[in-house]
Parts: sequence; C-alpha cells; structure tokens
Amino acid sequence: SQQGEEDPQALSIQEGENATMNCSYKTSINNLQWYRQNSGRGLVHLILIRSNEREKHSGRLRVTLDTSKKSSSLLITASRAADTASYFCATAQMDSSYKLIFGSGTRLLVRP
Amino acid sequence: GAGVSQSPSNKVTEKGKDVELRCDPISGHTALYWYRQSLGQGLEFLIYFQGNSAPDKSGLPSDRFSAERTGGSVSTLTIQRTQQEDSAVYLCASSPQHREGNIQYFGAGTRLSVL
Repeated sequence: SQQGEEDPQALSIQEGENATMNCSYKTSINNLQWYRQNSGRGLVHLILIRSNEREKHSGRLRVTLDTSKKSSSLLITASRAADTASYFCATAQMDSSYKLIFGSGTRLLVRP
Repeated sequence: GAGVSQSPSNKVTEKGKDVELRCDPISGHTALYWYRQSLGQGLEFLIYFQGNSAPDKSGLPSDRFSAERTGGSVSTLTIQRTQQEDSAVYLCASSPQHREGNIQYFGAGTRLSVL
C-alpha cells in the first residue's frame, strides 16, 4: 500500500498566487522528496529534505517537514502557468532507503 | 541523450499476449527501478536492481511479471499473458546509489494498453 497521502487531490489557482500541497506518511523515514510530473511525462526531482531538517528552500519552492506529525508541505510561491503539473511526495524508508514510496499526488492547475 | 530512455513509448496488445518493456538507464547509475502508474494515481513500486541483481522484487504483482538487467545497464520488464488490469504507464528510474539520499531520475514511461 502507498505510504503517502496528499491533499488536496487537485488545486486550481490564479497565476501569481501561492500553492500549498500537503503530504502525510506512516512510518519512520530517512528523507522525503518532492517530484513533479507533467502530463504524459516522467517524474522530475524537485527537492529533498532529510529527516533531521525542518525546512528547505530552492528558488520558489519551500518544503517543511514535521516528523512528529509525519507530514510535509510544499509551497510554490508566485506561481506561473508553467507550474501546472502533478506533484508527488516520496519517502525513503529508514530501513530500506533505496526504495521510494510515492503518494497519490496533487494535480495543480495554474490559470493564466 | 543523457537521460533515462524507455521503449516503446506506447504499446497496444491483445489480452493473453506477452510484452517486453525496455529501460536504458543513465550511464553509470547502479540502481534501477520499475514502477507502475495507473491513470490518475501515484506510483506503485515493482522491482529494484542493484547492478544485475534484484534484492527487492516485492512489488511484482504476480508471477506473470518478471524483470532482468544485464551488464549493469539495460533492463527489460516482461509481462506474460497480459490482462486488461495490466494497462498502465510503466516507469523506469535510475539512481547513482548512495548519493544525495537516493534521488531518482525517471524515463518518460511506456503506456501499455491491453485490449
């Protein structure tokens, strides 16, 4: 069964607004990663946060991790139409870090 | 190209036929993964290779599914006697193991349709 659950399942915002996606997981992790998937394409890695980190930034992306709540959030600031895609969180397990367990994804639509 | 290459990009087959899906990972990546993605869903782990061996096959849904990797490079996922529920996008990823927390690099996938 999948480790991660994401919400919302779908999100529609206006260009320029911020988008926030949340991910929850069930077991102890080594790290948590966020990936992006454009329609009909493979996944592209966006950002990785380790279990001992609480917040990480990369350009317009901000990721937080709360291991006590087993949750993470991805914030995309000043969204653009080109950010339209599906976003997945993936957890690397503590006892088998080679394996990524993916969430069900959030479909983001950024309206021009 | 420098990325993960998968072929074919699309495959339509009849129920009961066998199919082979190919993955060519990034050169030098020792780890290789197969995933299955059903329409509008997340990724379901199938199998993991480290070099030519597969330490984790736990995600293969049935004995109709098998995979091999030769020369530490190209991998083939074989589905025998395909069923309609096998219809999905099959994604391959590779990783330079033990670096940067196992970031994976994905191919564009093979869309399999079983009629």
